[in-house]
Amino acid sequence: DVKVTQSSRYLVKRTGEKVFLECVQDMDHENMFWYRQDPGLGLRLIYFSYDVKMKEKGDIPEGYSVSREKKERFSLILESASTNQTSMYLCASSHEVGTEAFFGQGTRLTVV
Amino acid sequence: AQTVTQSQPEMSVQEAETVTLSCTYDTSENNYYLFWYKQPPSRQMILVIRQEAYKQQNATENRFSVNFQKAAKSFSLKISDSQLGDTAMYFCAFMKHAFIGTASKLTFGTGTRLQVTL
Repeated sequence: DVKVTQSSRYLVKRTGEKVFLECVQDMDHENMFWYRQDPGLGLRLIYFSYDVKMKEKGDIPEGYSVSREKKERFSLILESASTNQTSMYLCASSHEVGTEAFFGQGTRLTVV
Repeated sequence: AQTVTQSQPEMSVQEAETVTLSCTYDTSENNYYLFWYKQPPSRQMILVIRQEAYKQQNATENRFSVNFQKAAKSFSLKISDSQLGDTAMYFCAFMKHAFIGTASKLTFGTGTRLQVTL
């Protein structure tokens, strides 16, 4: 069974904290993605990666950074969390371009 | 930049009936892929169906089929014999073709919330 695991389902952080969201896939996939999901806005791409140490900005990268030191792990970093980053965060991975993306269960992050 | 538009925020259908969800996209690419994903209340995003743009034949998966109109840049999803378990958010998504080792975004629409009723 393919699996994308996000480290937390729910997270509460304080404004200004540095936040790490971890995502691990066990399928040896090259491509990994981070999205945030907000009501009425759908899924918006924050960053994606197509190889170890490679990353590309998505549509809304401001306030975020990523790290991919190992193929199976893709971390999303909020350098200084703000209340407007309260959202659902989804991680996904896929093998080749155009193939099915597999998603994690999502992390609901609340910044207070 | 590619954009994906889903113009129906919410839809409702009775059990056993057929419903069609619409999706349009904007791209200057000729080779690309289109997807429909389903997100039930459990939050787990699942692939429903996938279409390659160079294939003229519409994709089908059991009760799910698409109407792919490349010239019109339209990619609608038809659900036949709707079941209560089809209640979910449905997202249309686009990815342009790229060679292995290069980057390609997976871009989603805003979603359609489908409610299947008795």
